[in-house]
Amino acid sequence: QSVLTQPPSVSAAPGQKVTISCSGGSSNIGNNYVSWYQQLPGTAPKLLIYENNKRPSGIPDRFSGSKSGTSATLGITGLQTGDEADYYCGTWDSSLSAGLFGGGTKLTVL
Amino acid sequence: EVQMVESGGGLVKPGGSLRLSCAASGFTFSSYSMNWVRQAPGKGLEWVSSMSSSSSHIYYANSVKGRFTISRDNAKNSLDLQMNSLRAEDTAVYYCASERYEAFDIWGQGTMVTVSS
Repeated sequence: QSVLTQPPSVSAAPGQKVTISCSGGSSNIGNNYVSWYQQLPGTAPKLLIYENNKRPSGIPDRFSGSKSGTSATLGITGLQTGDEADYYCGTWDSSLSAGLFGGGTKLTVL
Repeated sequence: EVQMVESGGGLVKPGGSLRLSCAASGFTFSSYSMNWVRQAPGKGLEWVSSMSSSSSHIYYANSVKGRFTISRDNAKNSLDLQMNSLRAEDTAVYYCASERYEAFDIWGQGTMVTVSS
């Protein structure tokens, strides 16, 4: 059971929008930056969002991040079949002095 | 080209030891904190350990504390993970990842560790 809670799966049609939530607590999301990662099948994770809502160079603006209180959200617009992947949120926990990942959300583009 | 390459994985018996290495290139390794993250077969990501750029701050997940030791050599652009007293539940792909802006921005391709008799 992860400290950060994500829905196990989400799905949407091509071209649509989907959001993935990540819920935590005051010692982690509430007081630290959130990042998001995409893991395509058989590959290493890739950074999508850092510092809650910033995109690294090369990440399209179809991907967005937000944070409110002890929850964060990843949004993906204009869904493509190539977006089918596992998505993870991550942050630091100041009480545990440990890194944390959510349990992951599998995105299916129908 | 910015990259990190892990090595040292393999099959080890329960109670055994293994040392993983990560070779970094294409960026100023000595300026960034480095981490190990693992992923058990079919499971999610689990943060394992972190070491600051100067090696002054070291952190471990409770699941590996006392058994794993992280180290780095900034002169050689390398990161290691010494794993002792290995258990079946340590079976996973182990990734090294650099840390910038409190996020893991560059990942290696991973090395598989299997603990089994």
